[in-house]
Amino acid sequence: SQTIHQWPATLVQPVGSPLSLECTVEGTSNPNLYWYRQAAGRGLQLLFYSVGIGQISSEVPQNLSASRPQDRQFILSSKKLLLSDSGFYLCAWSTVGVNQPQHFGDGTRLSIL
Amino acid sequence: KQEVTQIPAALSVPEGENLVLNCSFTDSAIYNLQWFRQDPGKGLTSLLLIQSSQREQTSGRLNASLDKSSGRSTLYIAASQPGDSATYLCAVMGNNDMRFGAGTRLTVKP
Repeated sequence: SQTIHQWPATLVQPVGSPLSLECTVEGTSNPNLYWYRQAAGRGLQLLFYSVGIGQISSEVPQNLSASRPQDRQFILSSKKLLLSDSGFYLCAWSTVGVNQPQHFGDGTRLSIL
Repeated sequence: KQEVTQIPAALSVPEGENLVLNCSFTDSAIYNLQWFRQDPGKGLTSLLLIQSSQREQTSGRLNASLDKSSGRSTLYIAASQPGDSATYLCAVMGNNDMRFGAGTRLTVKP
């Protein structure tokens, strides 16, 4: 069966520090991969999605970037964190195709001080 | 641009009640609609997925309906239990783009 792993589960970082959140998927090949952010009391916002290695699409202009160095690995990064980057970050995967359900990881709670 | 709204934002019911959560969306050109459950500080767990050609899906005590023409979906929970307490999110899938509502926070009191 397929599983998705995110780490770390929680992270506290000072403003201006770098960020690297990792997401890996097991049990499937060539998945579509997604990064979402959930701000307090608000819905999820799609940040990035990827349909293959090295292919990243960005949904909103922001302080973050994403990379997909391997088929089942998706990384969310920042060179310098802002206070507004605080939130709950969720990684998700789906099989290829526009009508496929997405499956989510357990998320990373990021607090910027 | 697709907008997804969930009403109410919060709901508190006594154990055993049947309840309905509502989701509305502005663009009826969707591929599917998915209901998720999110426990505090956790990721999303998929509950039900309704394809655009379907009217409803059932899983145990849960029943989700979809009226694409009116831009509405409901999640019906029968005989609610304290373990059902969580935030319920609906999400609509468009052209490779999934839009989420802000969720309904459900509390089922013993």
